[in-house]
Formats: sequence, structure tokens, C-alpha cells
Amino acid sequence: TQLLEQSPQFLSIQEGENLTVYCNSSSVFSSLQWYRQEPGEGPVLLVTVVTGGEVKKLKRLTFQFGDARKDSSLHITAAQPGDTGLYLCAGGGAGKSTFGDGTTLTVKP
Amino acid sequence: DTAVSQTPKYLVTQMGNDKSIKCEQNLGHDTMYWYKQDSKKFLKIMFSYNNKELIINETVPNRFSPKSPDKAHLNLHINSLELGDSAVYFCASSPQTSGLTIEQFFGPGTRLTVL
Repeated sequence: TQLLEQSPQFLSIQEGENLTVYCNSSSVFSSLQWYRQEPGEGPVLLVTVVTGGEVKKLKRLTFQFGDARKDSSLHITAAQPGDTGLYLCAGGGAGKSTFGDGTTLTVKP
Repeated sequence: DTAVSQTPKYLVTQMGNDKSIKCEQNLGHDTMYWYKQDSKKFLKIMFSYNNKELIINETVPNRFSPKSPDKAHLNLHINSLELGDSAVYFCASSPQTSGLTIEQFFGPGTRLTVL
């Protein structure tokens, strides 16, 4: 079974701070997705990374796929209250996605 | 405009009852999924259908029976509901891929509470 562990599990910061969320596995994934889920809603896809070492930027969010395609990170610069939510990584392969255990981010104004 | 829709949004029922959750996607995707999200927010795949055919069944009790009348719909029927079935159930869809990159679009979820 492929497992994805995210850290930290919970993160509470002030508006304007920077943060990094990690997604780690002992397995190699063909691709990795990051999703954000807000309370009462379904997860929404943020990005897909495919190539080892790949870096993608989405406004203040920077996503990196590890060289060995076993891990990924999400860095948020100058966090805003609107970034609050549950961040989930998901590794793809063999026709299905395996989700990480999530990071709950709270950004206080 | 809703891409993936689920009904109902909330479902409260007694133990032992049978209930169904409906899901529809208007994205033209070939693959649809059912996930269960527990109280710790862990999202676990239950079933996956591709063009109305079951391709993934992740050791789910046979009280859960998915049905796909066409590739835009994937419904979930649950028999003899148990307390442990209480969770949020998400439907999702994704376009046909090689299976290596799976970008999923989720519905808003159905919160099932079994009393």
C-alpha cells in the first residue's frame, strides 16, 4: 500500500507569514496533485506535478516535486485568511490516487 | 454550471435503514469515483468506474453497491446502515488518462449521519 504522510498535521499562523507543508512517501509516484478543501465543500485541485524536481508557481503558492518523485512541498508566501483550509496531496499511479492525511491550515487576520 | 453534483447534501437516518446518494457530472469525463472522508479528514477511495464499468473496489463491505447507469452518473446505495458508516461521502470524476496522472473534480459531498 502506498502511503503519503503530510506534515505538519495542523498549522496556525498570522496573516503575512510564510509556511511550508510537506508530503512524503517511501513510494515513487507517476504524478502528484495538491488539493485545497474548505469546510463543507469538496477538495479543489490546485496543481499537478509530474517531473522529478519540477517547480510550479500559482500566485503566492509554490509547489515542488522531489527529484525521486517520492515527496513534494507546498510553500505559501505572505499567507492570507483566504488560504485557510485543508491541504491534501495525492499521488497518482495504477489508475487511482492515494491521498495524504492532510494539513489543516488556519491563517488569522 | 455545477460540474459534479451530489444529492442529498445531508442525510440523517436510523441504523439498519437503506439509503442512496446520487452523483452526476457534466464534464464529459470517463471515470467517476466514490470516496469516504472520516472525522479525521482522511479521504479514502471506495470505488472507481470507467465508462460504466467497475475498475476499483477497495475492500468495501458489500452493503455498499455502486451503480452507473451511464458514464455521467454514479450512484451509491447503502444497505443496513451502521453507526460506522457516518462520514462525508464525495463523488469525483476525472478525464480519461493513461492512469498515471489523475486530476479529479469533486462534488460538494454528502454528510451521512447514522443514529
